[in-house]
Amino acid sequence: SQQGEEDPQALSIQEGENATMNCSYKTSINNLQWYRQNSGRGLVHLILIRSNEREKHSGRLRVTLDTSKKSSSLLITASRAADTASYFCASSGDAGNMLTFGGGTRLMVKP
Amino acid sequence: DAGVTQSPTHLIKTRGQQVTLRCSPKSGHDTVSWYQQALGQGPQFIFQYYEEEERQRGNFPDRFSGHQFPNYSSELNVNALLLGDSALYLCASSSLSGRAQRLGKLFFGSGTQLSVL
Repeated sequence: SQQGEEDPQALSIQEGENATMNCSYKTSINNLQWYRQNSGRGLVHLILIRSNEREKHSGRLRVTLDTSKKSSSLLITASRAADTASYFCASSGDAGNMLTFGGGTRLMVKP
Repeated sequence: DAGVTQSPTHLIKTRGQQVTLRCSPKSGHDTVSWYQQALGQGPQFIFQYYEEEERQRGNFPDRFSGHQFPNYSSELNVNALLLGDSALYLCASSSLSGRAQRLGKLFFGSGTQLSVL
């Protein structure tokens, strides 16, 4: 079973708009990560936020973490058609690198 | 610098057969994890190998087994295949040695798409 849930399951926006995806997890974590997957192939790491951090930025990506609510959000600003993909959050409970993934959000950015 | 490579890319088997999937980790990595991703779902952790031993295991039956070789490459074996084993199998590498170990970032291969008929 999945560790967490992602919301929404699917999101369709116009190019230039912002996309926000939310993730909830169930147990305490060491860190939370976001990955991107194109066309059901390999996952690409986007950003990692540690349990003692509340917000992190990387280019057009902004991630927040609320450990009291066991939730995280990923914001993609000024979206592009090339951002079309599935996005997954993944939590790590320790430093052993085992990740527990959510069900993913399928993002479509229309040109 | 080669990333994570997996072979084969696609595989078709019939129920009851056995399958072996292969993975070479990214250069400099010593840890290999395997994930199963069913269509429309997130990846699920199968197991992780480090120093040629199974270090962690997810909720998968004993039909799923693995091996890690001295050069850090790894194999995933699945016996007595079931229709429900049809999925994308992903290999991910990382390093449990040195400074990188606490970062937890994984590098994924492109996966092996297994179809069981």
